[in-house]
Amino acid sequence: QSALTQPASVSGSPGQSITISCTGTSSDVGGYNYVSWYQQDPGKAPKLMIYEVTHRPSGVPDRFSGSKSGNTASLTISGLQAEDEADYYCSSYTTSTRGVVFGGGTKLTVL
Amino acid sequence: EVQLVESGGGLVQPGGSLKLSCAASGFTFSGSDMHWVRQASGKGLEWVGRIRSKAKSYATAYAASVKGRFTISRDDSKNTAYLQMNSLKTDDTAVYYCTKAGLGFDYWGQGTLVTVSS
Repeated sequence: QSALTQPASVSGSPGQSITISCTGTSSDVGGYNYVSWYQQDPGKAPKLMIYEVTHRPSGVPDRFSGSKSGNTASLTISGLQAEDEADYYCSSYTTSTRGVVFGGGTKLTVL
Repeated sequence: EVQLVESGGGLVQPGGSLKLSCAASGFTFSGSDMHWVRQASGKGLEWVGRIRSKAKSYATAYAASVKGRFTISRDDSKNTAYLQMNSLKTDDTAVYYCTKAGLGFDYWGQGTLVTVSS
């Protein structure tokens, strides 16, 4: 099972908006609304930011939003803040293993 | 408060075995699906496998990279999930996280380091 495809890095200035893409296939991202996004700081466990494509867990700022079109899901962060600098990973249910597949991760730099 | 605490990591030689534990508290463990995810140093997250709840017949699933070598089990009476790792390879060196599957992976442990080296 190949990993979902994410850009290796994205950057933006404080206050700007950025979008991270996550491309899969009809066997994962495109076929199911079970896409999640995770934020990971160095040396820490990942933190759930978005589940089921568009939903934010309690406590996650509404600056974070998710969407999906076809086989590509996206995470948008608006009003970028310095504290948003981290690695971001998407994940999806996949029929290939009846489990989960992650994206390769995207390093977000806040300039 | 939900807590997941992994243990059992360490140094093991190639071809060896190791069993990780994940002790859970603060939620209804028996009703939750549990997953294992690993991360090699400087690399991304890799899903390892999962075990579903009793209601879902304790069904397991594994990544292709570990299928046939790793086994996930659970003891609901001890609120603990396990990852038995056999025939370990150097590529299995990573921090191993257990995570609770709710709406997404909503809670994670702190991880335990497994190093496979001679």
